[in-house]
Amino acid sequence: NAGVTQTPKFQVLKTGQSMTLQCAQDMNHEYMSWYRQDPGMGLRLIHYSVGAGITDQGEVPNGYNVSRSTTEDFPLRLLSAAPSQTSVYFCASSYGRAAITDTQYFGPGTRLTVL
Amino acid sequence: GESVGLHLPTLSVQEGDNSIINCAYSNSASDYFIWYKQESGKGPQFIIDIRSNMDKRQGQRVTVLLNKTVKHLSLQIAATQPGDSAVYFCAEKGGSWGKLQFGAGTQVVVTP
Repeated sequence: NAGVTQTPKFQVLKTGQSMTLQCAQDMNHEYMSWYRQDPGMGLRLIHYSVGAGITDQGEVPNGYNVSRSTTEDFPLRLLSAAPSQTSVYFCASSYGRAAITDTQYFGPGTRLTVL
Repeated sequence: GESVGLHLPTLSVQEGDNSIINCAYSNSASDYFIWYKQESGKGPQFIIDIRSNMDKRQGQRVTVLLNKTVKHLSLQIAATQPGDSAVYFCAEKGGSWGKLQFGAGTQVVVTP
């Protein structure tokens, strides 16, 4: 299994541009999520999905959209990039079943810079 | 608001010594805690977890201790090696669909 994959690894955008960060997993996980990581602030949850067709907001959803048309893919869209969205973005997935000990596995991250 | 936090931002450890990384949490409803290791340029990697009905769990060279009375979590690394240099995060989770809430992280630096 490839686990959780993310593309691209690096991206530079200008303010106002839009783009989509890709995330895929091949573990048949139901639960997928996006986090952003800023220096000294740990990881903060942007959006998450408990299954295909179901998404919900996390702690910092503003400026981001998600959709979950398949179990495998969970893309994150930036509609109009702003410098405040400069960050490292991580996608994570887990089985999502009714198990308290449902551990999330993380992808390698996308480093985004907005000028 | 309820949060998970770490006491020390940076921990310097001599190779071969034991490391102890601490974490405080404030959500008494959290029932599952996880430690992640993040090496430079990589995503967080699962190390060890513990459920709230336990107070200690051991893995290979790592031990997690949970003190629910004072809402404190710690990660002990035995015989620290250069490959243990990384940022360590604690995270808490409440319920089966609960979202992970992360602390800010502790940078562990292993010196020869």
